[in-house]
Amino acid sequence: QKEVEQNSGPLSVPEGAIASLNCTYSDRGSQSFFWYRQYSGKSPELIMFIYSNGDKEDGRFTAQLNKASQYVSLLIRDSQPSDSATYLCAVSFSGTYKYIFGTGTRLKVLA
Amino acid sequence: GAGVSQTPSNKVTEKGKYVELRCDPISGHTALYWYRQSLGQGPEFLIYFQGTGAADDSGLPNDRFFAVRPEGSVSTLKIQRTERGDSAVYLCASSPAGGPGIQYFGAGTRLSVL
Repeated sequence: QKEVEQNSGPLSVPEGAIASLNCTYSDRGSQSFFWYRQYSGKSPELIMFIYSNGDKEDGRFTAQLNKASQYVSLLIRDSQPSDSATYLCAVSFSGTYKYIFGTGTRLKVLA
Repeated sequence: GAGVSQTPSNKVTEKGKYVELRCDPISGHTALYWYRQSLGQGPEFLIYFQGTGAADDSGLPNDRFFAVRPEGSVSTLKIQRTERGDSAVYLCASSPAGGPGIQYFGAGTRLSVL
């Protein structure tokens, strides 16, 4: 059973702090990793994607991938109340175009 | 249209009835995905189309669920003999060919089976 695991939270951080969201996956052959943000009652929207080991930065967001340890993380710097949402990790498994989503981590940024 | 369009936005039906959910992907996107999302859960993969063919239907829960994409654009998810456990938000996403696999999601159809 291919799995993607996330802590459901809620993760509460004060405004301006760094929020760190983590995701582990079971298939060592996984190749593509995505972070989506989902506001309550809305559909997921892409935040970042990463394919290679290391860090990838886009504005306040940094994705970190460690294939040896099978985890991917998302850092949000200078967190804002508008960042409060559920963050979904999605992984495409080796040999497929099928994406498995984690259950999501609910982030609360406190003003 | 500019984005992925799903209709209807809400569907209420009675147990045992047949329903069809429609997805109109972004123009030119060859890949189309259907997911089901229950409250507090992530999207659950159902089926993936590449063009007109179902490239992977391993997520369909049973033979009451079927999806088609006859012309490689619009897709319809069909559920026969609906059960209360089918109640969820059904999400459609499309993705361009040759790209990094980014999926663009529609707003979803909220299905309620009474």
